[in-house]
Amino acid sequence: ETGVTQTPRHLVMGMTNKKSLKCEQHLGHNAMYWYKQSAKKPLELMFVYSLEERVENNSVPSRFSPECPNSSHLFLHLHTLQPEDSALYLCASSRNTGGAAFFGQGTRLTVV
Amino acid sequence: AQSVAQPEDQVNVAEGNPLTVKCTYSVSGNPYLFWYVQYPNRGLQFLLKYITGDNLVKGSYGFEAEFNKSQTSFHLKKPSALVSDSALYFCAVRGMDSSYKLIFGSGTRLLVRP
Repeated sequence: ETGVTQTPRHLVMGMTNKKSLKCEQHLGHNAMYWYKQSAKKPLELMFVYSLEERVENNSVPSRFSPECPNSSHLFLHLHTLQPEDSALYLCASSRNTGGAAFFGQGTRLTVV
Repeated sequence: AQSVAQPEDQVNVAEGNPLTVKCTYSVSGNPYLFWYVQYPNRGLQFLLKYITGDNLVKGSYGFEAEFNKSQTSFHLKKPSALVSDSALYFCAVRGMDSSYKLIFGSGTRLLVRP
């Protein structure tokens, strides 16, 4: 266990559905991240939150909407996704500058 | 801009032999460098990091990595490979001027033959 928990582990959703991914960390970290991992592509940084404020948004489509209500929780709200959005979505957290990021197990998302 | 290159898609090694997984980086200023391992259908597991100090960094499961500033490299090594080391390995870099942006390489699949 890394101290970062993601739910659900697997999600199948239709293109018209709305769902949310949840991430929770118990490490006392002050930064949280969403990454997307697709087959045969490098990990893509999607969003970074530091002290509950978004500090990075790497041109992610608006059908992905992050929410960070406090330093321990991070959500990724999904709506009207496309089949190419099917991937492993990884949450991570870290302490401040120089700290290693610790990852959750990921949510395997399939859009049908 | 920060970037990380892992030039080998796959590395094959026999059990008991030494292994090396290569990584080079580009970042402005001094880098923070990391290695992670990923087993099938799992998240990334932290192995080791270089922040400052000794160029040879020791990490989990007998892995180590050598920071070489002149060659901008941070290769992962292990003196004697195990079959259970077979996994996907990622190198990552964070520049000192972009505290929270951790950029990953494309990954190298390590296959250790019995």
